[in-house]
Amino acid sequence: EAGVVQSPRYKIIEKKQPVAFWCNPISGHNTLYWYRQNLGQGPELLIRYENEEAVDDSQLPKDRFSAERLKGVDSTLKIQPAELGDSAVYLCASRGVSPREQYFGPGTRLTVT
Amino acid sequence: DAKTTQPPSMDCAEGRAANLPCNHSTISGNEYVYWYRQIHSQGPQYIIHGLKNNETNEMASLIITEDRKSSTLILPHATLRDTAVYYCIVRSDRNDYKLSFGAGTTVTVRA
Repeated sequence: EAGVVQSPRYKIIEKKQPVAFWCNPISGHNTLYWYRQNLGQGPELLIRYENEEAVDDSQLPKDRFSAERLKGVDSTLKIQPAELGDSAVYLCASRGVSPREQYFGPGTRLTVT
Repeated sequence: DAKTTQPPSMDCAEGRAANLPCNHSTISGNEYVYWYRQIHSQGPQYIIHGLKNNETNEMASLIITEDRKSSTLILPHATLRDTAVYYCIVRSDRNDYKLSFGAGTTVTVRA
């Protein structure tokens, strides 16, 4: 069974530029998460989807971050414009009904210069 | 969800058992103890979880004290590939969709 797929794996952009990350969850998983992980810290939740509905986006900086999950499968996380402090690893995870553990993708490492 | 406390780092020898402690003194009755690990350049990976009883799977064993205020993850025969950051997370049934990660324990397995 394929795991959570993320692309790109690495991205380097200049500040003020836009960037987008893509995630394909495990087939059949209705719950999808985006996390941000700063260097030396654990992942922090940005947004959670149940199917196509964003049910918890309280930690998403809405002035520059946006996300979508059209058709309740793939998801895209966008930053526009990027700031130096956005440099981090962006992780996508998905979860099914049983087992209920979260399965993580390898992440996208973003460097903003 | 209850907070957890883990040592920032620990070393262990290859082939030996690695015992990773976690304190969760404010855990409540409906909260589970979860362990994840994150190998360098990968996303976190689920290891094991438990409520009251000790648990064992193909990856590890989880020992939870009787008062549930602390637990120990045991990697029975550590290999170099077990070098990773290990996260102990307490999570309730009610909020079972949510994982709150701390800084974890960086475990280095040495040959």
